[in-house]
Amino acid sequence: LAKTTQPISMDSYEGQEVNITCSHNNIATNDYITWYQQFPSQGPRFIIQGYKTKVTNEVASLFIPADRKSSTLSLPRVSLSDTAVYYCLVGDNSGYALNFGKGTSLLVTP
Amino acid sequence: EPEVTQTPSHQVTQMGQEVILRCVPISNHLYFYWYRQILGQKVEFLVSFYNNEISEKSEIFDDQFSVERPDGSNFTLKIRSTKLEDSAMYFCASSEWSDQETQYFGPGTRLLVL
Repeated sequence: LAKTTQPISMDSYEGQEVNITCSHNNIATNDYITWYQQFPSQGPRFIIQGYKTKVTNEVASLFIPADRKSSTLSLPRVSLSDTAVYYCLVGDNSGYALNFGKGTSLLVTP
Repeated sequence: EPEVTQTPSHQVTQMGQEVILRCVPISNHLYFYWYRQILGQKVEFLVSFYNNEISEKSEIFDDQFSVERPDGSNFTLKIRSTKLEDSAMYFCASSEWSDQETQYFGPGTRLLVL
């Protein structure tokens, strides 16, 4: 399994764009990059998945450079309700288990 | 939007007692999972279940744990003889396919073993 490294915590003000970068230097050819979000006292929730370049949905964008050794989750114009832990997961979608790391704890303040 | 539900939301038990945590996965999903999260720590995979059998399990899922799908809607996790270190939030999840993209998690059951 590719090891991932993310900042432990980030702070932002409401309305700002937040970019959370994840390093995965030993990502394999068949691996995808998936981000989950977890609010306090709730289960994780899928946000976005990508393989290369850029993926965008109604919640976030995911930027993946050509070497795929890192990825950046971009949250546009965050609100207080975006305060959560964000997890970067790397895997080939062939297994069943989601392997969560410690994630990045994002705090959004007014 | 369909949701995974879990009962109870909180459970307090004495060490050595058996507990059963219950989950109702999303109705058309075929793959079911249990995860746990000890307070302040990361979410850990316990077990996955498909076609009425365990498809994958972690080292945490030892002989004191078992899973069952007793009917067409429920999915349960039984801990036979609880230990203090079993205190955690237990999350059930389900997915339509066996991939990592769309596992839908329930709200969790907070288990406290005294």
